[in-house]
Amino acid sequence: DVKVTQSSRYLVKRTGEKVFLECVQDMDHENMFWYRQDPGLGLRLIYFSYDVKMKEKGDIPEGYSVSREKKERFSLILESASTNQTSMYLCASRGGYSGANVLTFGAGSRLTVL
Amino acid sequence: AQKVTQAQTEISVVEKEDVTLDCVYETRDTTYYLFWYKQPPSGELVFLIRRNSFDEQNEISGRYSWNFQKSTSSFNFTITASQVVDSAVYFCALSEAGYGGSQGNLIFGKGTKLSVKP
Repeated sequence: DVKVTQSSRYLVKRTGEKVFLECVQDMDHENMFWYRQDPGLGLRLIYFSYDVKMKEKGDIPEGYSVSREKKERFSLILESASTNQTSMYLCASRGGYSGANVLTFGAGSRLTVL
Repeated sequence: AQKVTQAQTEISVVEKEDVTLDCVYETRDTTYYLFWYKQPPSGELVFLIRRNSFDEQNEISGRYSWNFQKSTSSFNFTITASQVVDSAVYFCALSEAGYGGSQGNLIFGKGTKLSVKP
């Protein structure tokens, strides 16, 4: 089974702190994604990557950056956390480049910014 | 532009009732894919089904069934004889058949929270 592992299930940070959310997948998938999930808003795409060192902005990239130095790892970075970034963050991976292919999700990281 | 609408924000049923979750989509593409995912309280989205735009056959998997109708741009999901373990948030999603870049990214509906009470 494809596994997508997110390093932290729950984090509490203070405003202005730098936050790293790590995601690792073990099936050699080309594509990786970071989503944010908020009540009433569903899942919104922050960034995605379709290859090592490649990244593309999603629908809500402001306040975030990403890093993909190795194929299996995709990191989401909040340079200076703010309270409006309190949310559930979901990482996903997908093999191949077709829209037909299924995304596999991690268990999520719930971030609280105080 | 692509869009997925799940008009039902929350549904509550009693165990053994049948329940249908609605999904309406918009796209200008002729080739596209529709998905349903389940998100139980543990948080991880689990893939349930994928349907391509050329296959309008309904599908049944145990207590789950899906009704795809291109004429009404709908892809509804029915759970028969619901159980407490079906309690979750269910997401409908749409993707283009595109290859590379942002093509093929999933567009999600806002989800329907289903509560099944014993």
